[in-house]
Amino acid sequence: EVQLVESGGGLIQPGGSLRLSCAASGLTVSDNYMTWVRQVPGKGLEWVSVIFTGGYTHYADSVKGRFSISRDNSQNTLFLQMNSLKAEDTAIYYCAGDQGDGTIDYWGQGTLVTVSS
Amino acid sequence: QSVLTQPPSASGTPGRRVTISCSGSSSNIGTNTLSWYQQLPGTAPKLLISTNDERPSGAPDRFSASKSGTSASLAISGLQSEDEADYYCGAWDDSLNGWVFGGGTKLTVL
Repeated sequence: EVQLVESGGGLIQPGGSLRLSCAASGLTVSDNYMTWVRQVPGKGLEWVSVIFTGGYTHYADSVKGRFSISRDNSQNTLFLQMNSLKAEDTAIYYCAGDQGDGTIDYWGQGTLVTVSS
Repeated sequence: QSVLTQPPSASGTPGRRVTISCSGSSSNIGTNTLSWYQQLPGTAPKLLISTNDERPSGAPDRFSASKSGTSASLAISGLQSEDEADYYCGAWDDSLNGWVFGGGTKLTVL
């Protein structure tokens, strides 16, 4: 059974930094397209970033230059480094995995990030 | 404003059939697999079905997905009360180099 467990969310002031982690089991992070998707409570889904099996990364325009996605193959863990946080980054952040067929097969339970003074 | 367009709400009575539409463009639905995700209240989204007929084990076959050109639809037959949820369509977009989603459709079972 695949499990993706996010951690690292919390309350942070505008301009601050936060690092989210996603520990995977039943799935090898380096063998999947791993992605972060966020959702403002009560609103829709917004794709944030992806890291491909070859290590290439892509970002949504709204976070480009501020967020950085990475993975640690030895820990089978995905990360999202978030810098220069803004109020509009407040959301539940989901870690998710795609086996490479364009379908997001697996989702974590999410971690809430609140950016507020 | 979401890249994919869905109706904000849909409804039906138990046992009936309901469909939810999703409209996109040639860079997403027109080229790539379109998937549907179900989000029950207070939980994370989960894959329901995709247009290449991929569905997780245990997913009921009451749900079916189809695609034509740059549009897609999700059909739910034999509607049940536990189907009340938000449904999102999603696809990879070759122009944006990322996933795009619809705004979500809230399904109410009357």
